[in-house]
Amino acid sequence: GAVVSQHPSWVICKSGTSVKIECRSLDFQATTMFWYRQFPKQSLMLMATSNEGSKATYEQGVEKDKFLINHASLTLSTLTVTSAHPEDSSFYICSALLSAQETQYFGPGTRLLVL
Amino acid sequence: GDSVTQMEGPVTLSEEAFLTINCTYTATGYPSLFWYVQYPGEGLQLLLKATKADDKGSNKGFEATYRKETTSFHLEKGSVQVSDSAVYFCALTLNQAGTALIFGKGTTLSVSS
Repeated sequence: GAVVSQHPSWVICKSGTSVKIECRSLDFQATTMFWYRQFPKQSLMLMATSNEGSKATYEQGVEKDKFLINHASLTLSTLTVTSAHPEDSSFYICSALLSAQETQYFGPGTRLLVL
Repeated sequence: GDSVTQMEGPVTLSEEAFLTINCTYTATGYPSLFWYVQYPGEGLQLLLKATKADDKGSNKGFEATYRKETTSFHLEKGSVQVSDSAVYFCALTLNQAGTALIFGKGTTLSVSS
């Protein structure tokens, strides 16, 4: 089946530092990937749509200069949380669109804790 | 706008009980419908999907039928197990290239032995 990985799975950082999260589609190519954020016991909130070779499309209220997204290849998208603050602590989940199946496959998520 | 509404949880059942989690949607056009499951501390896994009216998605004993007339996609399982304890998300996507999923709020299922 289609597999999506994320790295790291867990990260703890100091306030003011930047954190990069990688999302890889392991056995298929994905022109489109998505980044979601999930708060405890809540649903997923779409942050941005990442398209290979072009700028990401951010949802309203998501700061593009704070959450930098790069989709440099058909199997890799990265999310960089710049100058992280405690309120950025959350569970970040990516998904990759397998176009042939019209289905998104999700990574296992990255739990970020900013101290 | 497009949206998904799920029944409020948590749902607490005994092992081997029948499960129904209601899901209704509002969408322009003809969406594809999905159920995703999230086990504690993990990401989402696709459970089943249906892409057109009257399609039935099924997997691991779970099933859901795309009902256009009632705009519903209720999840059912005849006999739940403790290992089914998780959060279940109903979601839709519009059938346009590159559109994101719209999720319901999720329903927590807890199954006891």
